[in-house]
This record gives sequence, C-alpha cells and structure tokens, in this order.
Amino acid sequence: EDQVTQSPEALRLQEGESSSLNCSYTVSGLRGLFWYRQDPGKGPEFLFTLYSAGEEKEKERLKATLTKKESFLHITAPKPEDSATYLCAVFGGTSGSRLTFGEGTQLTVNP
Amino acid sequence: ETGVTQSPTHLIKTRGQQVTLRCSSQSGHNTVSWYQQALGQGPQFIFQYYREEENGRGNFPPRFSGLQFPNYSSELNVNALELDDSALYLCASSLAGGVTGELFFGEGSRLTVL
Repeated sequence: EDQVTQSPEALRLQEGESSSLNCSYTVSGLRGLFWYRQDPGKGPEFLFTLYSAGEEKEKERLKATLTKKESFLHITAPKPEDSATYLCAVFGGTSGSRLTFGEGTQLTVNP
Repeated sequence: ETGVTQSPTHLIKTRGQQVTLRCSSQSGHNTVSWYQQALGQGPQFIFQYYREEENGRGNFPPRFSGLQFPNYSSELNVNALELDDSALYLCASSLAGGVTGELFFGEGSRLTVL
C-alpha cells in the first residue's frame, strides 16, 4: 500500500525566511509525485509533477526536488501570499488510477 | 478554458438522508475522480469514472456511488448519511483514464451531516 508522510505538520515563517517542506513516500513503482497548494475551503491547485529521482522543477519562489525516498518543496524568500496548505501525493504502479495524499503542511508566512 | 465546477458549494443534511453532488469536468477531459477530504486531512480517493464506467475504487462502502454522463460530467451519491461523512468532497478531472496521474480539482462541495 502506498504511503505518504509530510513534515512538519505546520510551519510558521517570517517574510523572506526561506525553508523546506518534506514529503517521504513508500510506493511500489513510482509513476509520479505531485505537489498541490490548497487555500482554506478551496480545492487543491496543481503545482508540480516529478517523475524520477534527481528531477527538479521551479515556479516563482517554489522549487520541488525528488529522490528515491522523498521530495522537498523549497520556498525561497516567501511572501504572506504563499500562506496555504501544501499537499504531496504519489501515483504508484499498483495504485491503479488513484493518488495517495499526505496530510499536508500548513504554511503561514508573517509580514 | 473552462475549469472543473462543482455544485452545490455547501449543504447541510441530517443523518440517514441521501445526497447528490455534481461535477462538470474541465474542457477536453474525459475522466473524473472523486475524493473525500475530512478537516485537517489529505484527500482520500473514493472512485474514478472513465467512459461512463467505474475505473477504480477506494476503501468506501457501497452507499457511495457515482455516475458519469456522455458529456463527461459526473455525480456522487451518498445514501444513509452518517456523521463521519461530513467533509469536503472534491471532484477532479483528467485525461485518458488518469494514466498520467495529473488531476485538476474543483473547489469542492462542503457537506455537513447533523
């Protein structure tokens, strides 16, 4: 069974203070790892897909990286508008058509 | 490009009642998945529909059922509602049976069961 663990559960940063969120996973035959951003009461917004170890993707202040056991979402010089819950999900070889999500990291960026 | 739309956005039911939630997929997408997200948790897979047939199901009882229509829109039906069914129900659309895993979510339907 695919499993995803995200840490920390919550993270509070000052504006401009860079940090990283972690996503550890166990999956049989990874077909893709996804990062989503979710604002309160809204649906998840797609950020990145990573397919193989060593892959990196960037979007504005966010950079996602992937190893064989975990993924990191690096946030450089965050702004208050980056405050949200960040969800990690895996798409595995034995999971059929489903994504398995972690419980998310709630990020708060203070001005 | 039209995104994923869900209705209703909020609803309140009592235990034992039945509910139907609706979803219109993103333009060009032929696959719809439904997820349940309890407060403070990550989304949990309910089922997926592709070409009007169920194409995968998570660990949810049979009282959770669905439909997909020829225009790729979808419904989620829940019978005999229980208090634990209170959650945000998310619809996501994708291409080609979801083989890439890339999902695009709607804003969700917030169900409260009293």
